[in-house]
Amino acid sequence: GENVEQHPSTLSVQEGDSAVIKCTYSDSASNYFPWYKQELGKRPQLIIDIRSNVGEKKDQRIAVTLNKTAKHFSLHITETQPEDSAVYFCAASIDTNAGKSTFGDGTTLTVKP
Amino acid sequence: DAGVIQSPRHEVTEMGQEVTLRCKPISGHDYLFWYRQTMMRGLELLIYFNNNVPIDDSGMPEDRFSAKMPNASFSTLKIQPSEPRDSAVYFCASLGTEETQYFGPGTRLLVL
Repeated sequence: GENVEQHPSTLSVQEGDSAVIKCTYSDSASNYFPWYKQELGKRPQLIIDIRSNVGEKKDQRIAVTLNKTAKHFSLHITETQPEDSAVYFCAASIDTNAGKSTFGDGTTLTVKP
Repeated sequence: DAGVIQSPRHEVTEMGQEVTLRCKPISGHDYLFWYRQTMMRGLELLIYFNNNVPIDDSGMPEDRFSAKMPNASFSTLKIQPSEPRDSAVYFCASLGTEETQYFGPGTRLLVL
């Protein structure tokens, strides 16, 4: 089955700096890659996603890049703010219609004011 | 839409008791997922359904866990008998045609 590895497990940045979280996947058939943000005590919520036919996607301060050849994708957050502090999960789906996503172990991001 | 609804939000029980968690997916979504989240093991997929049919239950830890989806708007996850190591946050999520999973608020289970 699919295996998703996420790095780093913890990340601390100064407010205003950029943060990058990386994930690798094992199954080349995976074609949908969502990122979830989970604030303390809350549910995971989708913040951005990318499909395998796209190399990069941006949404304001958040961007995701995908390298299908290397089987890795990354989340980039620019101009970080304290409210960006949360646990971020990447995921990969083999069959976008089946919806079964394999999740990474999560990255705890702390943005220091 | 109210989103995915889970009940109870918190549950404290004693070891050996039966625990039933409930989930109402978003209307029109035909996939439903049950996850367990702990500090040690992260977010684990326990089971998921498509059109009320269980598709993959390989994540269910053992026979003490069972899940049902009697109709498109309701699912249960049952633990019988419960053990302290079952303490976790249990999330239900549903998915429609958008490929995005929407998570419920979770049930925080503490087994004493």
